[in-house]
Amino acid sequence: NAGVTQTPKFRILKIGQSMTLQCAQDMNHNYMYWYRQDPGMGLKLIYYSVGAGITDKGEVPNGYNVSRSTTEDFPLRLELAAPSQTSVYFCASSYTGSTGTDTQYFGPGTRLTVL
Amino acid sequence: KNEVEQSPQNLTAQEGEFITINCSYSVGISALHWLQQHPGGGIVSLFMLSSGKKKHGRLIATINIQEKHSSLHITASHPRDSAVYICGVRGAQKLVFGQGTRLTINP
Repeated sequence: NAGVTQTPKFRILKIGQSMTLQCAQDMNHNYMYWYRQDPGMGLKLIYYSVGAGITDKGEVPNGYNVSRSTTEDFPLRLELAAPSQTSVYFCASSYTGSTGTDTQYFGPGTRLTVL
Repeated sequence: KNEVEQSPQNLTAQEGEFITINCSYSVGISALHWLQQHPGGGIVSLFMLSSGKKKHGRLIATINIQEKHSSLHITASHPRDSAVYICGVRGAQKLVFGQGTRLTINP
């Protein structure tokens, strides 16, 4: 299993540009998450999904969009990049069933700089 | 006040010392997570617990639901334990994280 994969690893954007951060998992997990981590700060939840076709906002959703057309993929879209979106972005997945939620598995992260 | 508070924020110790990192939270939770973030940035989940105590190798995690408090202990610490340790609490569907404790173990 590859686990949780993210692309790209690094990206520099100009203000106003758009991009999509890709995330995929091959563990058949139903839950997927997008977090951002600003320097010296904790992880903040941007969006999450409890299954294909279902997404919901986290703590800091403004400026982002997500979709979940398949169980495996959970892309994060930045429509109009702003310097405040400079951060490291982590995707994670977990399985939640009748016995509760399993541990989260994290991708390697995408370091995004907006200039 | 943050929902999750960790202490200390930074901790430096000598190899072999017993380490304790604390996590206090203010909301009702269904589970608490301890994560390790390596100097290179990768994040690994260490423990998920909702009661009692869990042990994995030299790492021990405990939780006291009544006191809304969890501790992560490292026995016989080693320089490779140097990392940021992050506590997260699960309420409803979401996880809320503390700011992390930066641990440095000197040889």
